[in-house]
Amino acid sequence: DGGITQSPKYLFRKEGQNVTLSCEQNLNHDAMYWYRQDPGQGLRLIYYSQIVNDFQKGDIAEGYSVSREKKESFPLTVTSAQKNPTAFYLCASSTDRGYENTEAFFGQGTRLTVV
Amino acid sequence: SQQGEEDPQALSIQEGENATMNCSYKTSINNLQWYRQNSGRGLVHLILIRSNEREKHSGRLRVTLDTSKKSSSLLITASRAADTASYFCATRPIQGAQKLVFGQGTRLTINP
Repeated sequence: DGGITQSPKYLFRKEGQNVTLSCEQNLNHDAMYWYRQDPGQGLRLIYYSQIVNDFQKGDIAEGYSVSREKKESFPLTVTSAQKNPTAFYLCASSTDRGYENTEAFFGQGTRLTVV
Repeated sequence: SQQGEEDPQALSIQEGENATMNCSYKTSINNLQWYRQNSGRGLVHLILIRSNEREKHSGRLRVTLDTSKKSSSLLITASRAADTASYFCATRPIQGAQKLVFGQGTRLTINP
């Protein structure tokens, strides 16, 4: 059963802690993305990766870090430098590196709350 | 920066009516896509229209694209209560095509 899996579904972070959100895909997709969604808002791009061992900053990368050591995995770390991390985080993947006309597949999201 | 801006932000109609949502974008694109999001869930792809296409259909969905006006519309015909969701347009800019850039979304409510 192919798809993209995010874990955990809910995550609570204390002030000053780093937390890592998991994103795994078995679709053999080259490109992977992380988005942040605030209540009633659209999606803002945090980081994206077109190929293993390479990734690029999106529009709101400050306070976040990523790695792409394996094609199927693209974990996102929310660091203590991110001052307002409470949000819904969505991971996506697609076959292309931006030059073909293909869709993105999304995971079910991780809701991060600072306590 | 947001590439796409949807209009209206919220739409409430009666079951059976048609729903139209609009999307405007700022820069030249390779394609434009529409996605649906049920509350608290991930996004699901609905339809993709390429920059050289003007109209596309999929079931009860009809998408138009006007590249001269940098705008697109999504029409859902004969709406059902199950169509209640948020709808987002997303663009692949020609400059920075590796990104998929989303708008703010339209929250659609279908009243039974």
